[in-house]
Amino acid sequence: QVQLVESGGGVVRPGRSLRLSCAASGFTFSRYGMHWVRQAPGKGLEWVAFLSHDGRAEYYADSVKGRFTISRDNSKNTLYVQMNNLRTEDTAFYYCAPTRDDYNYFFDHWGQGTLVTVSS
Amino acid sequence: SFVLTQPPSVSVAPDRTARITCGGNNFGRKTVHWYQQKPGQAPVLVIYYDKDRPSGVPERFSGSKSGNTATLTISRVEAGDEADYFCQVGDGISERVVFGGGTKLTVL
Repeated sequence: QVQLVESGGGVVRPGRSLRLSCAASGFTFSRYGMHWVRQAPGKGLEWVAFLSHDGRAEYYADSVKGRFTISRDNSKNTLYVQMNNLRTEDTAFYYCAPTRDDYNYFFDHWGQGTLVTVSS
Repeated sequence: SFVLTQPPSVSVAPDRTARITCGGNNFGRKTVHWYQQKPGQAPVLVIYYDKDRPSGVPERFSGSKSGNTATLTISRVEAGDEADYFCQVGDGISERVVFGGGTKLTVL
């Protein structure tokens, strides 16, 4: 079955960087676009970024554009997000999710998330 | 930018019907998807493409959309349905995904 395991979270000071990983299994990773979605503790869901199956198309939320970079290694079935110049408002659980529809994005599989805390 | 508006909370007695709305400024051809999230857990998809139900989701859950409002309906509500519910749209044309603010469903 589909399994998504996020890792790389932790406590980091404002202005610093962090890279998250998402190890995928149970589906043909190289055929699926992938997203990062985050959720601040006690708050709602916020979409972060998308990367197409072949890496050619990438989209970002305005709140992270220019600071976050999404990437993938299809040979390792792994999705990444490089987060630079972190802000306190980036504190959240970060989830990765595949999308099986190239036009209408929705998420029928989620990992358990990894917590990023940005604090001085 | 596209905005989805949900009521912060909805309360319903057991065995009654709960309706959670999701207002959009112009859905156009966008389809709406719904997630259930219980405390400490990842979200779970309960409705996609406005009204389709993933396997394993009870038939009590249904979705509809009319004009600028999408609705998640939960029939014969059970205590286990108490959770946060989020609506969502997103596509490769707009190059973004938007979530509603979420609705906390309380079973009285």
